[in-house]
Amino acid sequence: GNSVTQMEGPVTLSEEAFLTINCTYTATGYPSLFWYVQYPGEGLQLLLKATKADDKGSNKGFEATYRKETTSFHLEKGSVQVSDSAVYFCAQSLSSGSARQLTFGSGTQLTVLP
Amino acid sequence: DADVTQTPRNRITKTGKRIMLECSQTKGHDRMYWYRQDPGLGLRLIYYSFDVKDINKGEISDGYSVSRQAQAKFSLSLESAIPNQTALYFCATSDLWTGPQHFGDGTRLSIL
Repeated sequence: GNSVTQMEGPVTLSEEAFLTINCTYTATGYPSLFWYVQYPGEGLQLLLKATKADDKGSNKGFEATYRKETTSFHLEKGSVQVSDSAVYFCAQSLSSGSARQLTFGSGTQLTVLP
Repeated sequence: DADVTQTPRNRITKTGKRIMLECSQTKGHDRMYWYRQDPGLGLRLIYYSFDVKDINKGEISDGYSVSRQAQAKFSLSLESAIPNQTALYFCATSDLWTGPQHFGDGTRLSIL
């Protein structure tokens, strides 16, 4: 079936460390892929997206590349800040009849220490 | 003001009670969604709607119902609440099926 698997947390890093959060997907066809971020007490916000193979999404220093050959969409940031502490969700969109729905991974809690 | 507003933000109630969670949006989006979030499970889709005449079940619709009163309003009801419906509930909107979804800040629901 269609699913998204992401690296389990929690992840704790020191400020300015390199971040990778792994995400792999299973889907028929060509889904669009997303990373959402959830700050404490808030809803999810779109962080970045990619709609086709080899696309790179980027925002706020975060990047992820749509790799069809490995069915992956890993999130990276070269130097994390304390303000990046949040829960990160990988998601894919899939079609159901005429509609598309998002399927989310289970989320990865990131804590960045000063 | 928030683009997607959920009320209430927190609710504690008892098993068997009827509960309604409300969502309103000022983004002018046609598509609206209800999700629940449980620790370790991510977000799961309960219902979604394209317009007031279009309601669709999501992955986990059993025990829930929805009403799309207007383009801007989409409410979720639990007819007879049970403890395993304790969760964080989110409303979201989008202008395209492939577009990003915009989330409210959530309703934390506890059923005793």
